[in-house]
Amino acid sequence: DIQMTQSPSSLSASVGDRVTITCRASQTISRFLNWYDQKPGKAPKLLIYTASNLLSGVPSRFSGSGSGTEFTLTISSLQPEDFATYYCQQSHTTPYTFGQGTKLEMK
Amino acid sequence: QLQLQESGPGLVKPSETLSLTCTVSNGSISSSNYYWDLIRQPPGKGLEWIGSVYYSGTTYDNPSLRSRVTISVDTSKNQFSLKLSAVTAADTAVYFCASRPRGTGTLNNWGQGTLVTVSS
Repeated sequence: DIQMTQSPSSLSASVGDRVTITCRASQTISRFLNWYDQKPGKAPKLLIYTASNLLSGVPSRFSGSGSGTEFTLTISSLQPEDFATYYCQQSHTTPYTFGQGTKLEMK
Repeated sequence: QLQLQESGPGLVKPSETLSLTCTVSNGSISSSNYYWDLIRQPPGKGLEWIGSVYYSGTTYDNPSLRSRVTISVDTSKNQFSLKLSAVTAADTAVYFCASRPRGTGTLNNWGQGTLVTVSS
């Protein structure tokens, strides 16, 4: 299985901050990398697919980049509704696998 | 937009079989455009992909669960289902259904999830 490792595991930030979350794959996955957010008690929601494509309706402050084994999710200016847990997921090979999550908390 | 809704027993005894049904609305499970996936999340932990099914009945599953997992589709009811046998406490999780556009590995619509607890 392809292992996905996110860093950091948790992050404290303030409204207006720029934050970056990193996701590394144990082997190359080209650009087959998706990002989701999840709020407590809710299902994950797709934000970005194939590394850098923003799902329709997702604010432009979110962006994704990377290819191969290293990827990043950036939020350019944090808003109150952005505090959540973020997961990356590789869609290169089954079984699809997720990172362990990055919990973004308010400072 | 597709909507998915999980339904299940909530509580299953150890060694028994967990049965979960996902109902698709605002669309047809017989669409050639989608696979139908199952994912789980133990309380306070991360996400694990269980497997998927196509309307034709073709399935893909996670080797870590393969010997215990059966995924099936019922096009007449617009539903797909999971059976997980010989459950233990480690199978306690929120179970999610999701749709995945054919040709991608992107889980673009999710159900709200249902908690299944394994306990005697």
